[in-house]
Amino acid sequence: DQQVKQNSPSLSVQEGRISILNCDYTNSMFDYFLWYKKYPAEGPTFLISISSIKDKNEDGRFTVFLNKSAKHLSLHIVPSQPGDSAVYFCAATPPANAGGTSYGKLTFGQGTILTVHP
Amino acid sequence: DTEVTQTPKHLVMGMTNKKSLKCEQHMGHRAMYWYKQKAKKPPELMFVYSYEKLSINESVPSRFSPECPNSSLLNLHLHALQPEDSALYLCASSQEWNLYGYTFGSGTRLTVV
Repeated sequence: DQQVKQNSPSLSVQEGRISILNCDYTNSMFDYFLWYKKYPAEGPTFLISISSIKDKNEDGRFTVFLNKSAKHLSLHIVPSQPGDSAVYFCAATPPANAGGTSYGKLTFGQGTILTVHP
Repeated sequence: DTEVTQTPKHLVMGMTNKKSLKCEQHMGHRAMYWYKQKAKKPPELMFVYSYEKLSINESVPSRFSPECPNSSLLNLHLHALQPEDSALYLCASSQEWNLYGYTFGSGTRLTVV
Protein backbone atom coordinates (compact mmCIF):
# COMPACT_ATOMS: atom_id res chain seq x y z
CA ASP A 1 0.00 0.00 0.00
CA GLN A 2 1.69 3.15 -1.24
CA GLN A 3 0.77 5.89 1.21
CA VAL A 4 2.68 8.62 -0.66
CA LYS A 5 2.42 8.75 -4.42
CA GLN A 6 4.20 10.78 -7.05
CA ASN A 7 2.35 9.80 -10.18
CA SER A 8 4.67 11.52 -12.65
CA PRO A 9 7.92 9.55 -13.02
CA SER A 10 9.47 12.38 -15.00
CA LEU A 11 9.01 16.04 -15.93
CA SER A 12 10.80 18.07 -18.57
CA VAL A 13 10.82 21.88 -18.40
CA GLN A 14 12.51 24.71 -20.25
CA GLU A 15 14.92 26.91 -18.31
CA GLY A 16 13.18 29.96 -16.84
CA ARG A 17 9.74 28.34 -16.82
CA ILE A 18 7.85 26.94 -13.85
CA SER A 19 8.28 23.34 -12.68
CA ILE A 20 5.34 21.82 -10.83
CA LEU A 21 5.86 18.52 -9.06
CA ASN A 22 2.87 16.79 -7.52
CA CYS A 23 2.40 14.42 -4.61
CA ASP A 24 -0.66 12.67 -3.19
CA TYR A 25 -1.03 10.90 0.12
CA THR A 26 -3.60 8.59 1.65
CA ASN A 27 -2.72 8.47 5.36
CA SER A 28 -4.75 11.03 7.31
CA MET A 29 -2.23 10.81 10.14
CA PHE A 30 0.42 12.54 8.07
CA ASP A 31 0.82 16.12 9.18
CA TYR A 32 4.29 17.20 8.14
CA PHE A 33 5.52 17.09 4.58
CA LEU A 34 8.96 17.54 3.10
CA TRP A 35 10.50 17.80 -0.35
CA TYR A 36 13.98 16.49 -1.04
CA LYS A 37 16.22 16.74 -4.08
CA LYS A 38 18.48 13.81 -4.83
CA TYR A 39 21.37 13.11 -7.16
CA PRO A 40 22.44 9.53 -7.90
CA ALA A 41 24.55 7.89 -5.16
CA GLU A 42 24.02 10.86 -2.83
CA GLY A 43 21.76 11.41 0.13
CA PRO A 44 18.55 13.44 -0.25
CA THR A 45 19.02 17.18 0.20
CA PHE A 46 16.25 18.94 2.09
CA LEU A 47 14.48 21.63 0.07
CA ILE A 48 11.38 22.79 1.86
CA SER A 49 8.73 21.52 4.25
CA ILE A 50 5.22 22.35 5.30
CA SER A 51 3.13 21.62 8.35
CA SER A 52 -0.52 20.68 8.03
CA ILE A 53 -1.53 23.89 9.78
CA LYS A 54 -0.38 25.83 6.72
CA ASP A 55 -1.40 25.71 3.08
CA LYS A 56 1.65 27.40 1.63
CA ASN A 57 5.32 27.78 2.42
CA GLU A 58 7.78 29.73 0.33
CA ASP A 59 11.57 29.74 0.29
CA GLY A 60 13.22 31.60 -2.54
CA ARG A 61 12.41 29.91 -5.83
CA PHE A 62 10.64 27.03 -4.07
CA THR A 63 7.03 27.08 -2.92
CA VAL A 64 5.09 24.15 -1.50
CA PHE A 65 1.30 24.12 -1.52
CA LEU A 66 -0.77 21.79 0.65
CA ASN A 67 -4.42 20.92 0.04
CA LYS A 68 -5.41 18.83 3.05
CA SER A 69 -8.93 18.10 1.89
CA ALA A 70 -7.57 16.65 -1.36
CA LYS A 71 -4.57 15.07 0.39
CA HIS A 72 -2.40 16.69 -2.24
CA LEU A 73 0.73 18.78 -2.21
CA SER A 74 2.81 20.34 -4.92
CA LEU A 75 6.25 21.88 -5.26
CA HIS A 76 6.65 24.88 -7.54
CA ILE A 77 10.09 25.92 -8.75
CA VAL A 78 10.21 29.35 -10.38
CA PRO A 79 12.25 30.07 -12.41
CA SER A 80 13.61 26.62 -13.18
CA GLN A 81 17.35 26.31 -13.73
CA PRO A 82 19.40 23.51 -15.33
CA GLY A 83 21.01 22.90 -11.92
CA ASP A 84 17.58 21.91 -10.63
CA SER A 85 17.73 18.74 -12.72
CA ALA A 86 17.56 15.85 -10.23
CA VAL A 87 15.14 13.39 -8.67
CA TYR A 88 12.62 15.04 -6.36
CA PHE A 89 11.08 13.08 -3.52
CA CYS A 90 8.03 14.00 -1.54
CA ALA A 91 7.98 12.64 2.03
CA ALA A 92 5.42 12.66 4.80
CA THR A 93 5.33 11.83 8.49
CA PRO A 94 2.80 11.66 11.31
CA PRO A 95 3.23 14.21 14.10
CA ALA A 96 6.52 13.94 15.93
CA ASN A 97 4.63 13.62 19.18
CA ALA A 98 2.37 10.80 18.02
CA GLY A 99 2.22 8.16 20.73
CA GLY A 100 4.63 10.07 22.93
CA THR A 101 7.50 9.85 20.48
CA SER A 102 9.74 12.69 19.42
CA TYR A 103 10.86 11.55 16.00
CA GLY A 104 9.48 11.40 12.49
CA LYS A 105 9.01 8.32 10.34
CA LEU A 106 9.33 9.54 6.79
CA THR A 107 7.39 7.75 4.07
CA PHE A 108 8.67 8.69 0.65
CA GLY A 109 6.99 8.85 -2.73
CA GLN A 110 8.57 7.11 -5.70
CA GLY A 111 10.24 10.28 -6.93
CA THR A 112 9.97 12.45 -10.04
CA ILE A 113 12.93 12.98 -12.35
CA LEU A 114 13.05 16.67 -13.25
CA THR A 115 15.02 17.72 -16.31
CA VAL A 116 15.46 21.43 -16.98
CA HIS A 117 16.65 22.17 -20.51
CA PRO A 118 18.80 25.25 -21.22
CA ASP B 1 27.95 22.32 11.56
CA THR B 2 24.77 21.40 9.67
CA GLU B 3 25.84 18.09 8.23
CA VAL B 4 25.36 14.41 8.76
CA THR B 5 28.63 12.63 7.95
CA GLN B 6 28.69 9.01 6.88
CA THR B 7 31.70 6.75 6.49
CA PRO B 8 32.76 4.93 4.45
CA LYS B 9 31.26 6.28 1.22
CA HIS B 10 31.68 2.95 -0.50
CA LEU B 11 32.01 -0.56 0.93
CA VAL B 12 32.41 -3.94 -0.72
CA MET B 13 32.07 -6.93 1.58
CA GLY B 14 31.81 -10.67 1.30
CA MET B 15 28.89 -12.60 2.71
CA THR B 16 30.98 -13.87 5.64
CA ASN B 17 32.47 -10.49 6.55
CA LYS B 18 31.65 -8.26 9.48
CA LYS B 19 31.71 -4.53 8.82
CA SER B 20 30.27 -1.35 10.31
CA LEU B 21 28.80 1.82 8.87
CA LYS B 22 29.27 5.03 10.83
CA CYS B 23 27.21 8.18 11.06
CA GLU B 24 27.97 11.38 12.94
CA GLN B 25 26.16 14.68 13.51
CA HIS B 26 26.91 17.66 15.72
CA MET B 27 23.66 19.57 15.34
CA GLY B 28 22.35 18.49 18.72
CA HIS B 29 19.68 16.35 17.10
CA ARG B 30 18.37 13.67 19.46
CA ALA B 31 16.65 11.54 16.80
CA MET B 32 18.79 9.54 14.41
CA TYR B 33 17.70 7.20 11.64
CA TRP B 34 18.92 4.52 9.26
CA TYR B 35 17.26 4.28 5.85
CA LYS B 36 17.96 1.88 2.99
CA GLN B 37 17.58 2.82 -0.65
CA LYS B 38 17.63 0.36 -3.52
CA ALA B 39 18.21 1.55 -7.07
CA LYS B 40 15.31 3.55 -8.52
CA LYS B 41 13.32 3.16 -5.30
CA PRO B 42 12.58 5.63 -2.51
CA PRO B 43 14.41 5.42 0.82
CA GLU B 44 12.84 3.05 3.33
CA LEU B 45 13.12 3.41 7.08
CA MET B 46 15.08 0.72 8.94
CA PHE B 47 15.72 2.01 12.48
CA VAL B 48 15.00 5.04 14.63
CA TYR B 49 16.93 6.07 17.71
CA SER B 50 15.48 8.65 20.02
CA TYR B 51 17.62 9.94 22.87
CA GLU B 52 20.10 7.11 22.20
CA LYS B 53 17.44 4.44 22.64
CA LEU B 54 16.17 2.22 19.84
CA SER B 55 12.59 3.30 19.24
CA ILE B 56 11.72 1.64 15.95
CA ASN B 57 12.96 -1.48 14.19
CA GLU B 58 11.03 -1.84 10.95
CA SER B 59 11.28 -5.65 10.99
CA VAL B 60 14.87 -5.51 9.81
CA PRO B 61 16.75 -8.86 9.69
CA SER B 62 19.12 -9.44 12.60
CA ARG B 63 22.13 -9.42 10.28
CA PHE B 64 21.76 -5.63 10.59
CA SER B 65 22.54 -4.45 14.12
CA PRO B 66 22.28 -0.74 15.00
CA GLU B 67 24.08 0.94 17.83
CA CYS B 68 23.97 4.47 19.23
CA PRO B 69 27.05 4.98 21.47
CA ASN B 70 26.19 8.62 22.21
CA SER B 71 23.97 11.43 21.02
CA SER B 72 26.25 12.28 18.08
CA LEU B 73 27.07 8.83 16.74
CA LEU B 74 25.10 6.08 15.09
CA ASN B 75 26.55 2.81 13.83
CA LEU B 76 25.14 0.00 11.73
CA HIS B 77 26.91 -3.32 12.23
CA LEU B 78 26.70 -5.74 9.32
CA HIS B 79 27.23 -9.50 9.47
CA ALA B 80 26.49 -12.35 7.10
CA LEU B 81 24.79 -10.12 4.55
CA GLN B 82 23.25 -11.32 1.31
CA PRO B 83 23.81 -9.90 -2.17
CA GLU B 84 20.27 -8.50 -2.10
CA ASP B 85 21.34 -6.28 0.80
CA SER B 86 23.43 -4.25 -1.64
CA ALA B 87 22.01 -0.72 -1.52
CA LEU B 88 22.65 2.87 -0.50
CA TYR B 89 22.42 3.15 3.28
CA LEU B 90 21.41 6.57 4.47
CA CYS B 91 21.71 8.05 7.93
CA ALA B 92 19.54 10.99 8.97
CA SER B 93 18.95 13.08 12.05
CA SER B 94 16.29 15.51 13.18
CA GLN B 95 15.52 17.86 15.97
CA GLU B 96 13.16 16.28 18.42
CA TRP B 97 9.46 17.07 18.47
CA ASN B 98 9.29 19.53 15.58
CA LEU B 99 11.41 17.56 13.08
CA TYR B 100 13.11 20.75 12.04
CA GLY B 101 16.17 20.11 9.90
CA TYR B 102 15.49 16.47 9.04
CA THR B 103 18.89 16.04 7.41
CA PHE B 104 20.35 13.13 5.49
CA GLY B 105 23.97 12.14 5.05
CA SER B 106 25.42 11.32 1.64
CA GLY B 107 25.09 7.61 2.27
CA THR B 108 27.27 4.51 2.11
CA ARG B 109 27.07 2.56 -1.13
CA LEU B 110 27.25 -1.07 0.00
CA THR B 111 27.96 -3.95 -2.34
CA VAL B 112 27.76 -7.51 -1.02
CA VAL B 113 29.63 -10.07 -3.12
